[in-house]
Amino acid sequence: KQEVTQIPAALSVPEGENLVLNCSFTDSAIYNLQWFRQDPGKGLTSLLLIQSSQREQTSGRLNASLDKSSGRSTLYIAASQPGDSATYLCAVEKSSGDKLTFGTGTRLAVRP
Amino acid sequence: GAGVSQSPSNKVTEKGKDVELRCDPISGHTALYWYRQSLGQGLEFLIYFQGNSAPDKSGLPSDRFSAERTGGSVSTLTIQRTQQEDSAVYLCASRLDRVGEAFFGQGTRLTVV
Repeated sequence: KQEVTQIPAALSVPEGENLVLNCSFTDSAIYNLQWFRQDPGKGLTSLLLIQSSQREQTSGRLNASLDKSSGRSTLYIAASQPGDSATYLCAVEKSSGDKLTFGTGTRLAVRP
Repeated sequence: GAGVSQSPSNKVTEKGKDVELRCDPISGHTALYWYRQSLGQGLEFLIYFQGNSAPDKSGLPSDRFSAERTGGSVSTLTIQRTQQEDSAVYLCASRLDRVGEAFFGQGTRLTVV
């Protein structure tokens, strides 16, 4: 059974700092990995999708990397802003069209 | 609409009553998922519809839970004889097909009293 772990569970940083969120998964046979953010009381917003054949994806200040063989992904946020405060979730998909298995998230707070 | 729409946004029901939660996926999306997020917990997979294929019901927690998807579009999640442990946010997501990003709705917050 696939298990997805995110470390740290919570993180508080001052505005402007660069930070890294970690996601690890026990079964490296994945099809893709997706990063989401969730604001309090809201649904999930897709940030980045990395196919298993890719090593990284970038969108603006966000960069996600994937090391499938070691079962790890990182989400790098550059020059953090208070608006980045949210819970960040990673999710893996075992095969095309399969369900997503989610981690429990990292709750990020960026202090002005 | 432009995104995944769920209704109602909030639902309070008495223990033992039945509830129906609705999801309108993005137009043209063939894949539709239901997840549940309990307080302080991760997202728990419930059920998955892909086109005209038989749904993957492997995540439904009990036979009180059922879902259908009519005409390959709107989906309804039904919970019969609700229990307090059913209280959670129920999230729906859709995808264009078997690949690509999953887009989530805002969820329905269900409270069983």
